[in-house]
Amino acid sequence: NAGVTQTPKFRILKIGQSMTLQCAQDMNHNYMYWYRQDPGMGLKLIYYSVGAGITDKGEVPNGYNVSRSTTEDFPLRLELAAPSQTSVYFCASSYAWVGARPINSPLHFGNGTRLTVT
Amino acid sequence: GQQVMQIPQYQHVQEGEDFTTYCNSSTTLSNIQWYKQRPGGHPVFLIQLVKSGEVKKQKRLTFQFGEAKKNSSLHITATQTTDVGTYFCAGHGSSNTGKLIFGQGTTLQVKP
Repeated sequence: NAGVTQTPKFRILKIGQSMTLQCAQDMNHNYMYWYRQDPGMGLKLIYYSVGAGITDKGEVPNGYNVSRSTTEDFPLRLELAAPSQTSVYFCASSYAWVGARPINSPLHFGNGTRLTVT
Repeated sequence: GQQVMQIPQYQHVQEGEDFTTYCNSSTTLSNIQWYKQRPGGHPVFLIQLVKSGEVKKQKRLTFQFGEAKKNSSLHITATQTTDVGTYFCAGHGSSNTGKLIFGQGTTLQVKP
């Protein structure tokens, strides 16, 4: 199994350019997440999705957009890149059952995309 | 909104010394997860705690979940150089909407 696959691994953007970070998982997980990690810092949640067609904002959603048209894919879109978006971006997925007794499985992370905006 | 604070930010220890990192949430958590990230790598799951007052052990690592389900700790006994990395706690809020918030992490350096 490939797990969580992120592309590209590295990217340099000029200010104002746009790009899409791709994320795909083959574990049939219902939950998917995008986090950013600035140098020496923790993980900040950008957006998350609890299933196909459903997305929600995390802690730092400004400047980003997401979509979840399928269970497998969760792309992250940067419309107008800014230097403040220079970071390492991690996609993750998990299985969660939110019935009467919620169950959360561990997050499986991709290898990350290192983005520099200059 | 939900916030998860983790201290200390950095810890340098001599090999063989013990190490503890603490995690505190502004709200009650439905569960807490711990991850380890090696330099240049991605976070890797270590353990999940669900029950109030729960204690779990993995070899030299001991994890605790507070009685009020708002705090947690990770204790490493007799650190080794292989323990180097950043340790993160992460919590789901009591409504368990899927929003998993990470603490800032504690970076552990171990001097041989």
